[in-house]
Amino acid sequence: DAGVIQSPRHEVTEMGQEVTLRCKPISGHDYLFWYRQTMMRGLELLIYFNNNVPIDDSGMPEDRFSAKMPNASFSTLKIQPSEPRDSAVYFCASRGTGAVDTEAFFGQGTRLTVV
Amino acid sequence: GQSLEQPSEVTAVEGAIVQINCTYQTSGFYGLSWYQQHDGGAPTFLSYNALDGLEETGRFSSFLSRSDSYGYLLLQELQMKDSASYFCAVPYSGAGSYQLTFGKGTKLSVIP
Repeated sequence: DAGVIQSPRHEVTEMGQEVTLRCKPISGHDYLFWYRQTMMRGLELLIYFNNNVPIDDSGMPEDRFSAKMPNASFSTLKIQPSEPRDSAVYFCASRGTGAVDTEAFFGQGTRLTVV
Repeated sequence: GQSLEQPSEVTAVEGAIVQINCTYQTSGFYGLSWYQQHDGGAPTFLSYNALDGLEETGRFSSFLSRSDSYGYLLLQELQMKDSASYFCAVPYSGAGSYQLTFGKGTKLSVIP
């Protein structure tokens, strides 16, 4: 398997524009996580899905953020409208069913810059 | 909720041993994980401790004391490539499901 695939790797956009980040989890994994990483706040869990169903979105900072998982092989994180403070690295991770020690596999991340 | 505390930075000499500590406060504790992240890269899994004691994997070991809500990652025979950030993390099962909460990470610098 190619691992967790995220696109784009880098995104530069102007304030107010819509941004869509994409993620393809590892085949067979039924948990998918979206994280945001900044120097100030570290790795923050935004939302996670189990079997395509959103389980906990309490980490989503504002209504400007939304996430979907229409099928087992694809998820999106959308920011509309984007703001400079959204600049961060966004990671997608997936995990298979198993005990709590099952490791999570991360994609290479999308570095978002909002100017 | 969950909170994890770890030092922000550690510097150590090549060939030496370094210990990165992590204290946690969490409800429904199941175990403690460690992840490594190189600059510009993705976090990658290192280890998981569910029971008290030391788990060894090559040059890396991880320790857990559930009664003290404390764990550490021990890196031996440090190499320059070990320069990275190290995160402790706890899996939390709420509402019968699972998530993973990370500490803010410890940046390890290995110097010659």
